Amino acid sequence: AQSVAQPEDQVNVAEGNPLTVKCTYSVSGNPYLFWYVQYPNRGLQFLLKYITGDNLVKGSYGFEAEFNKSQTSFHLKKPSALVSDSALYFCAVRDDTGFQKLVFGTGTRLLVSP
Amino acid sequence: ETGVTQTPRHLVMGMTNKKSLKCEQHLGHNAMYWYKQSAKKPLELMFVYSLEERVENNSVPSRFSPECPNSSHLFLHLHTLQPEDSALYLCASSQDLLAGFTDTQYFGPGTRLTVL
Repeated sequence: AQSVAQPEDQVNVAEGNPLTVKCTYSVSGNPYLFWYVQYPNRGLQFLLKYITGDNLVKGSYGFEAEFNKSQTSFHLKKPSALVSDSALYFCAVRDDTGFQKLVFGTGTRLLVSP
Repeated sequence: ETGVTQTPRHLVMGMTNKKSLKCEQHLGHNAMYWYKQSAKKPLELMFVYSLEERVENNSVPSRFSPECPNSSHLFLHLHTLQPEDSALYLCASSQDLLAGFTDTQYFGPGTRLTVL
């Protein structure tokens, strides 16, 4: 079965510094990967997805993710963090059975300090 | 309104109550989903509907009963819940399950449910 792992419960970064939120995946076929963000008292918002093509995927709010097949990783990145980026971030992978549901990680809380 | 909306945003109910959660999507999508989000756990997919037909029932207890009267509306009927059912319930929609790998889900803000 497909799975994703988010090894860090929380990431702390100072405003203006680059940020990385890590995600590794395990799939039996081709990986189809997603990042979502959840702000307090809100639902999940879609950030970006990797289906095929360039390993660097650009998404909303200045975020991008780097797909690395050899390391089975799909890390979320941003060159310069904002305090408003503080939120819960979820990585997800598409299942390859049935109707190909999304399998989510446990989430990483990003805290950007002023 | 745009996107996916959910009502109520907060709900407190006793174990013997009956209540319903409502979800409405304004995106013209064909598929709708219910998820349960509990602290420190991955999102749990509960139900999936495609063109108003249920395609997934993820071993959810019968005290949760979904209803999809049309492709824009999804309900979750609740009865005789347990305190461990307290969680954030999220609704999502996507264009079409047949779109396969490229199909992207869009979420509502959720209903925070507390069972006393």
